[in-house]
Amino acid sequence: QKEVEQDPGPLSVPEGAIVSLNCTYSNSAFQYFMWYRQYSRKGPELLMYTYSSGNKEDGRFTAQVDKSSKYISLFIRDSQPSDSATYLCAMRAIIQGAQKLVFGQGTRLTINP
Amino acid sequence: NAGVTQTPKFRVLKTGQSMTLLCAQDMNHEYMYWYRQDPGMGLRLIHYSVGEGTTAKGEVPDGYNVSRLKKQNFLLGLESAAPSQTSVYFCASSYSGLAGETDTQYFGPGTRLTVL
Repeated sequence: QKEVEQDPGPLSVPEGAIVSLNCTYSNSAFQYFMWYRQYSRKGPELLMYTYSSGNKEDGRFTAQVDKSSKYISLFIRDSQPSDSATYLCAMRAIIQGAQKLVFGQGTRLTINP
Repeated sequence: NAGVTQTPKFRVLKTGQSMTLLCAQDMNHEYMYWYRQDPGMGLRLIHYSVGEGTTAKGEVPDGYNVSRLKKQNFLLGLESAAPSQTSVYFCASSYSGLAGETDTQYFGPGTRLTVL
């Protein structure tokens, strides 16, 4: 079993829809949770960063962490064609002073005009 | 401020050939990383460095070597390329890699490598 599981999609929705992207994880040591966005043939770029359980909002994006269920989500409101990309969740733990960072497989999202 | 740059952008090798991928960052970051990205596998860490002159193995280090002779550069070498090393390689850097939002990893644009 992978430490981080993410549905690879692809996911295709109409413009304006609310999008929900999710990851589950098995290692309870993860404390920092991130979402990266990766456009085609580009490197990943950080979209959202959260620490511990709860919600964090940034414009049309909301990141949600539920540590009790080991489940994180990214919501995109009023989705735009420019949101079409692959979204990767990532999780970090500090173990014996060293960083452990694990990425999900990525979900490919297409927003149709 | 160019951020993280990678050279070359594309490369085709024959089995058994060697090559070096260059990563450079101008953000004065201590930590640098090399990842490979394959369909359905996400990003997997090959090697990383926590400072000039240091290197450490990641999740999939076999077949690769790295060097960090200068703080701003991190080189990834393939001594004898194999078709299984066909992938997209990403370099990243971060301030310290231990905690906090300031330790975000910034990625380069990637190198597409094909080994025939």
